[in-house]
Amino acid sequence: QKEVEQNSGPLSVPEGAIASLNCTYSDRVSQSFFWYRQYSGKSPELIMSIYSNGDKEDGRFTAQLNKASQYVSLLIRDSQPSDSATYLCAVNPGNRDDKIIFGKGTRLHILP
Amino acid sequence: NAGVTQTPKFQVLKTGQSMTLQCAQDMNHNSMYWYRQDPGMGLRLIYYSASEGTTDKGEVPNGYNVSRLNKREFSLRLESAAPSQTSVYFCASSEVHGNNEQFFGPGTRLTVL
Repeated sequence: QKEVEQNSGPLSVPEGAIASLNCTYSDRVSQSFFWYRQYSGKSPELIMSIYSNGDKEDGRFTAQLNKASQYVSLLIRDSQPSDSATYLCAVNPGNRDDKIIFGKGTRLHILP
Repeated sequence: NAGVTQTPKFQVLKTGQSMTLQCAQDMNHNSMYWYRQDPGMGLRLIYYSASEGTTDKGEVPNGYNVSRLNKREFSLRLESAAPSQTSVYFCASSEVHGNNEQFFGPGTRLTVL
């Protein structure tokens, strides 16, 4: 059973601090990794994708991938109250049917 | 450029009724997906269409059927709705199937009484 695991939270972070969200996955051959943000009552919105080991930065967001340890993380610098949302990790396990598997999400709460 | 659109936004059905959820994308994407999202369960794939003319089952296909009407449109049909199908339904699309970013529609909130 291929799985994507996330801490459900809530993760509370003071405004202006760095929020760190983690995700582990079970399939060692996974090839592509995505982070989605979902505000309450809204649809998931893609914020980052990462395909190779290391860091990928986009504005205040940094995705980190470590395939050997099978984890992917999302760092949010200078956290803002508008970052309060649920963050979904998604993984393509690289098997023949290529279906992306979503984690259940981590609720992030930025404290003003 | 509207992205992915879904209709209706809300629907209430009685047990046994049927309905079709509509989805359309204007991004010229090849692949389209239907998910349901329930509290504590995350997003679960119902059906997908990797390309026009093909459809495949996802994780939870029972009780649903799909039609890839053309490259733009992918509909989800509930033939005989059950209370267990109360959920939020999202349609998504991607340029190609697999290692590709998916873009989601606004969702349909369905309640089956």
